[in-house]
Amino acid sequence: QVQVVQSGAEVKKPGASVKVSCKASGYTFTDYYIHWVRLAPGQGPQWMGWINPNSGATNYAQKFQGRVTMTRDTSISTAYMELNRLTSDDTAVYYCARGGHLGSYNWFHPWGQGTLVTVSS
Amino acid sequence: DIQMTQSPSSVSASVGDRVTITCRATQGISSWLAWYQLKPGKAPKLLIYAASSLQGGVPSRFSGSGSGRDFTLTITSLQPEDFATYYCQQANSFPLTFGGGTKVEIK
Repeated sequence: QVQVVQSGAEVKKPGASVKVSCKASGYTFTDYYIHWVRLAPGQGPQWMGWINPNSGATNYAQKFQGRVTMTRDTSISTAYMELNRLTSDDTAVYYCARGGHLGSYNWFHPWGQGTLVTVSS
Repeated sequence: DIQMTQSPSSVSASVGDRVTITCRATQGISSWLAWYQLKPGKAPKLLIYAASSLQGGVPSRFSGSGSGRDFTLTITSLQPEDFATYYCQQANSFPLTFGGGTKVEIK
């Protein structure tokens, strides 16, 4: 079945970086965009950006520009999201999710199980 | 950015009740709207896309309506597994944005 599976929880110190992986299966990885969304305590979900696995093109939310990098490895059908210069405000569950076929729509299905990133000194 | 305002922020309901959640966009988004269900420790679930299309495998007691700025998610005959938090999301333009969520709690 179509699914995306994320890497495990991370604990980081302020100023560090985190890299979360998202492995896709059950479909042609390069045909569908991968989006990243985070859910921080007490807040609604925040869209971070997408990557086109076919071309590697990306589109980041302005809030994360300069601090986030989305990449992919097509040989293992895996997308990555790296967030730099972490602060306590970045403590959240980070999700990857499959978007539209060739970017044709921007809702998400399926989602990964989420990766808890805790930033604490 | 398009802001999405959901109401209510929480609702207490009983099994069998009908629940209606509304979502308003700060500008028209045609039918570019999705609804999701989130439960702690589980992957979020797409319920409705394109404002009113039911995602495969989602029970028919879930329905969506609306276009332009105003949208509604309705759950008829609430079931125990429906107690969760629900979010709307506009898919019209970047940055994609979500509503603040509606927590459906057991009365």
